[in-house]
Amino acid sequence: DGGITQSPKYLFRKEGQNVTLSCEQNLNHDAMYWYRQDPGQGLRLIYYSQIVNDFQKGDIAEGYSVSREKKESFPLTVTSAQKNPTAFYLCASSIGQPGYEQYFGPGTRLTVT
Amino acid sequence: AQKVTQAQTEISVVEKEDVTLDCVYETRDTTYYLFWYKQPPSGELVFLIRRNSFDEQNEISGRYSWNFQKSTSSFNFTITASQVVDSAVYFCALSPISGSARQLTFGSGTQLTVLP
Repeated sequence: DGGITQSPKYLFRKEGQNVTLSCEQNLNHDAMYWYRQDPGQGLRLIYYSQIVNDFQKGDIAEGYSVSREKKESFPLTVTSAQKNPTAFYLCASSIGQPGYEQYFGPGTRLTVT
Repeated sequence: AQKVTQAQTEISVVEKEDVTLDCVYETRDTTYYLFWYKQPPSGELVFLIRRNSFDEQNEISGRYSWNFQKSTSSFNFTITASQVVDSAVYFCALSPISGSARQLTFGSGTQLTVLP
């Protein structure tokens, strides 16, 4: 089945550690996105990539890093510089043209203590 | 700049009631797309509908219907005869037709609870 997978579903880390969230898609989409969602709030864009080997900062990129070495994969690293990393992280993809819907993965809930 | 406002933070209804979720948007673009997404308790956002600004016809899909009114910059979503499985957070979103593919702006969401 075509779709987006994110792993793991739940992730626990100690403060000061970097952690990488996985996102893979087999929809043949050019564009991929990372969003952060905090309780009771909407989605905020962290990073997006419209093509392999290229990515752009979103609205809240500080403390995060990404790579796009393959079309199918867009991993997100939450670094120790991110002050409030505990959140729900959603990965999405789209065909990359403006105005087209984005399709979302199941999300990763990260808890940092 | 784009902005999407979902003023209803939480709504509770009893099963079989109709419910309307409001969405008001702001944009300087003359052409744009509007979207609705559903986020059930599992967390994954599910795409429901995309509507372009050229087409103001209302759309119906089963128990779901959407009312787009450009004059009031609103794109409201109605669920008829609600069911417990409709309980979720619903997001309205806006995107220009041209420009960067990143420009999808989400509202803050409306938590709908349907009680049995």
